[in-house]
Amino acid sequence: SQELEQSPQSLIVQEGKNLTINCTSSKTLYGLYWYKQKYGEGLIFLMMLQKGGEEKSHEKITAKLDEKKQQSSLHITASQPSHAGIYLCGADDIMEYGNKLVFGAGTILRVKS
Amino acid sequence: DVKVTQSSRYLVKRTGEKVFLECVQDMDHENMFWYRQDPGLGLRLIYFSYDVKMKEKGDIPEGYSVSREKKERFSLILESASTNQTSMYLCATKTGLNQPQHFGDGTRLSIL
Repeated sequence: SQELEQSPQSLIVQEGKNLTINCTSSKTLYGLYWYKQKYGEGLIFLMMLQKGGEEKSHEKITAKLDEKKQQSSLHITASQPSHAGIYLCGADDIMEYGNKLVFGAGTILRVKS
Repeated sequence: DVKVTQSSRYLVKRTGEKVFLECVQDMDHENMFWYRQDPGLGLRLIYFSYDVKMKEKGDIPEGYSVSREKKERFSLILESASTNQTSMYLCATKTGLNQPQHFGDGTRLSIL
């Protein structure tokens, strides 16, 4: 079955610093989704990547999918307290015809002001 | 914007009770999902449905059932609640392949 490994598990950054979160798959990714979750709340969809080499941005968050489609990274520029939360990557589970998502364990981000 | 509404944000029930968690979406999506989220275990799929009256078991269906009588509503049922079902429950919907799932705000369920 497909597995997603996220790194780091958690990080604390000073406000204004840049940071990167990685998501690595055991198999080729056909659809990769990034979500953000604030503690005790639901997941908010950030971005979807499908093509090798694809890069998307939303405000100060950029997500990339590598050419081999086995790794994605989420980069936050000039972090702010509003960026704090849990970031999860999810991927279409091809074994289930893409109807299910497999999720990584999440990365907890704290931003110190 | 997609709106996924879960009936309660917080719920406290007693062991042995039958518990209903409701999820309603307003975007005519075919697919709906129920997850539970626990510290250290991440998101785990309980059941999903790809059409009215259709349901498929996820990874941890034991102790749960679901109902989808109308396209917009997907209910999760705990037949006889137990303390190990205390968790955060999340509902999600999506329209089709290669589309993101959209989540509700979650229900934090405590079974005493």
